[in-house]
Amino acid sequence: DTAVSQTPKYLVTQMGNDKSIKCEQNLGHDTMYWYKQDSKKFLKIMFSYNNKELIINETVPNRFSPKSPDKAHLNLHINSLELGDSAVYFCASSQAGEETQYFGPGTRLLVL
Amino acid sequence: AQSVTQLGSHVSVSEGALVLLRCNYSSSVPPYLFWYVQYPNQGLQLLLKYTSAATLVKGINGFEAEFKKSETSFHLTKPSAHMSDAAEYFCAVSYYNQGGKLIFGQGTELSVKP
Repeated sequence: DTAVSQTPKYLVTQMGNDKSIKCEQNLGHDTMYWYKQDSKKFLKIMFSYNNKELIINETVPNRFSPKSPDKAHLNLHINSLELGDSAVYFCASSQAGEETQYFGPGTRLLVL
Repeated sequence: AQSVTQLGSHVSVSEGALVLLRCNYSSSVPPYLFWYVQYPNQGLQLLLKYTSAATLVKGINGFEAEFKKSETSFHLTKPSAHMSDAAEYFCAVSYYNQGGKLIFGQGTELSVKP
């Protein structure tokens, strides 16, 4: 069983479209994160949720909106996609009080 | 500002040789320190972590790292490289009371020559 899963794995879309990426973890963790990895492989946190509550919101355009329906899921919705949104998006999870984060396989987004 | 610097974006070693990947952090408070590995088209896998216990930390696949507070360093080593070690390696830090946010270094690509 995959601990942290993301769908889709690949996403190719046109500029201006709206798309969503889904993340699910079956580790029983209460904190989930979204990270963005750019074309130079640099990783930066975007958001984190703890028990469905937004904890971290880094300087991310408001076209990006995370949604956590329950503590096992954290989805990322992106409006009006731009070329610069092309990247790999990683979901991760951890248990409060534990420092280790477990990462999903990533979603490779290409905006044309 | 809190930051992580990995010296060398690309390191190449011969199979069987010592692997040394460098990581330095910048902060006034001691961080939690991590090394993650990323194989091509995959997610990140934790190699090892330092969370204020023993300063020499052993991880998976024969890797280890030593926390040196005086040098603000957490270099990753492996005595003998294997072809399967070829990957991207990321050093990262997090701090107490920052919601678990990981701050990553730029990454070091390790190549292993036969």
